[in-house]
Amino acid sequence: EVELVESGGGLVQPGGSLRLSCAASGFTFSLYWMNWVRQAPGKGLEWVASINQYGSEKYYVDSVEGRFTISRDNAKNSLYLQMNSLRAEDTAVYYCARDFFSGGANSRIVFDNWGQGTLVTVSS
Amino acid sequence: DIVMTQSPDSLAVSLGERATINCKSSQSVLHSSSNSNYLAWYQQKPGQPPKLLIYWASTRESGVPDRFSGSGSGTDFTLTISSLQAEDVAVYYCQQYYSTPLIFGGGTKVEIK
Repeated sequence: EVELVESGGGLVQPGGSLRLSCAASGFTFSLYWMNWVRQAPGKGLEWVASINQYGSEKYYVDSVEGRFTISRDNAKNSLYLQMNSLRAEDTAVYYCARDFFSGGANSRIVFDNWGQGTLVTVSS
Repeated sequence: DIVMTQSPDSLAVSLGERATINCKSSQSVLHSSSNSNYLAWYQQKPGQPPKLLIYWASTRESGVPDRFSGSGSGTDFTLTISSLQAEDVAVYYCQQYYSTPLIFGGGTKVEIK
């Protein structure tokens, strides 16, 4: 059974940093694009970032480009999101999500498995 | 960027009746070489992460009841729940995966009338 477990969320002041982690199990992690998707309180879904199987291709939504960095460690079956220069508008539940397409060759991604999410609150 | 617009924002349907949700993209998500529409639908129940229902605009994910169906092509898409059940109360989102940024629609809340 696929399992994705996020951690690392919490309360941080504006301008601060946080590193989210996602521990994956139940599938061959190194075969899949992996992603972060966020949801502000009471709002809709927003894609944040994606990374290919090898860590060599990364894509970001414009609003986090230059502030957030997605990375992965295939040996540890783990996905990460380093978040710097945090703003109030980054407050959200952050979900780790797997691409549906095993061995996917591009960033055309459908999210087939999701973690339960970790809440990030940016406030003074 | 491709903008995804869902309608209505919310709808209330009687148990056993049909629910129809629309999703419109600002540009076509039909890939001409594969003749595939890069459009997915998700269901999110309160306090839960989203669940994938449909991809390629009309292909049901494994385990999804056949009362859920997707249709449409190009820029106009529909998610239909043929006979609404109590457990279908949720917010439904469409998502284009034709190009980055990957964009979700604003969501449609489905309730029981």
